[in-house]
Amino acid sequence: DGGITQSPKYLFRKEGQNVTLSCEQNLNHDAMYWYRQDPGQGLRLIYYSQIVNDFQKGDIAEGYSVSREKKESFPLTVTSAQKNPTAFYLCASSISGGGNTEAFFGQGTRLTVV
Amino acid sequence: AQSVTQLGSHVSVSEGALVLLRCNYSSSVPPYLFWYVQYPNQGLQLLLKYTTGATLVKGINGFEAEFKKSETSFHLTKPSAHMSDAAEYFCAVRTGGSYIPTFGRGTSLIVHP
Repeated sequence: DGGITQSPKYLFRKEGQNVTLSCEQNLNHDAMYWYRQDPGQGLRLIYYSQIVNDFQKGDIAEGYSVSREKKESFPLTVTSAQKNPTAFYLCASSISGGGNTEAFFGQGTRLTVV
Repeated sequence: AQSVTQLGSHVSVSEGALVLLRCNYSSSVPPYLFWYVQYPNQGLQLLLKYTTGATLVKGINGFEAEFKKSETSFHLTKPSAHMSDAAEYFCAVRTGGSYIPTFGRGTSLIVHP
C-alpha cells in the first residue's frame, strides 16, 4: 500500500542534542512538507520541498534543518538551536503543481524534551 | 496570499445532533478547499475536498460541505453526530498559484452521549 511513514512515533531529546525525524513516502510525490503541531495553534509549516535537492523555509524554520537527496525521503533535524522543540511533527506529501489535489500525511512523531 | 479561519476552537454536540463546523477562507484566486480529520496522536485524513464543479461536496463518514463563494465559506456538516466523530477537524486551502496547503487552527469536536 502506498503511503507516508514517519519514524519514530515517539522521540525524547536531551537538552543540547540534535535529533532527526524520518519521513519516507512511496506515493511518487514530488512535493513534501514538514509541519509542527501545538495545541490550539493548528499546523505550522517548517520546511517544504518541491523537487529533489531543493527546499525552502516555511513560517517557523529557525532551529530546524532538512535535506532532500531522494524523492522518497525528507528527513527533519531538530537542532539544539530550537529552544522549544516539544511538539507533534507531521510530514506530508502531494503532487506538485496544481492545487486541486490533497496532501497525504504520515502518522506523526511526538518529540519531547527531557 | 491565502488563509483560513475556523470559528470556534471547540464545538460540543449531543449524539444524534447536527454537526456544524465553520470555515472561512481568504484567497485572491479561485481556491481549492479541503477538510481533514485527526484522531489523537495520528496524522490527518482527508474527509472531503472542493476543486471545481458542484458546490455541495460529500465526503466520508456522512460528512458534507458546501462551497459558498459569496460568503467565502466552506462549512462542514453532518446531520447526526456519532460518538466516533469526536476528533480534531482542520480546514485547508490551496490555490493554483501555490501548491502549499494552508491550514486553519482546527476545531475540536466533542460528542456527548
